[in-house]
Amino acid sequence: EAQVTQNPRYLITVTGKKLTVTCSQNMNHEYMSWYRQDPGLGLRQIYYSMNVEVTDKGDVPEGYKVSRKEKRNFPLILESPSPNQTSLYFCASSPLRSSYEQYFGPGTRLTVT
Amino acid sequence: AQSVTQLDSHVSVSEGTPVLLRCNYSSSYSPSLFWYVQHPNKGLQLLLKYTSAATLVKGINGFEAEFKKSETSFHLTKPSAHMSDAAEYFCVVSDYGSSNTGKLIFGQGTTLQVKP
Repeated sequence: EAQVTQNPRYLITVTGKKLTVTCSQNMNHEYMSWYRQDPGLGLRQIYYSMNVEVTDKGDVPEGYKVSRKEKRNFPLILESPSPNQTSLYFCASSPLRSSYEQYFGPGTRLTVT
Repeated sequence: AQSVTQLDSHVSVSEGTPVLLRCNYSSSYSPSLFWYVQHPNKGLQLLLKYTSAATLVKGINGFEAEFKKSETSFHLTKPSAHMSDAAEYFCVVSDYGSSNTGKLIFGQGTTLQVKP
């Protein structure tokens, strides 16, 4: 089944404790992206990647890192999480030669205390 | 810059009656437009997309949307609501054809309530 998977689905952590949210897709898509969803603000792009070893900032990149060492994986790293990073996070992927319709993972609900 | 505005934050209909969710867009290029649905505690699912082909776009679960360039609108409709349609709906535009970062720009969302 074609899909985007994220792990973990739920995470509660404390301020400053480094964490990684994994994202993997099995559709051989070149493009991958991370979004965060907050009430009243919709979804906002954090980082994106056009292909392996090619990443760039989205609209809200502060406090996040990403890497793209393999085509299928695009982990999101929070080096020192803070409470304002409490949010619902979505990973998405898309074939490059398209209108950028994206396929979303199930989401990761992160709480930072 | 591209943007979308969903004109209603909350819509309530009775089961079996028509659904209309309104969306206006702003784009200096011929836009790629989408509607996504998010059921409670679920991810986002693509309902339908417009990419400069037919202006009336049919999607899954009986939904359709009409692209009207003169009105810069892309409203989502369904002839008869079902209880399972209760969810949040997002109108989305991509920057395909402009800055080409692949970014999706989301509207604020419309919560659809379906009453029995």
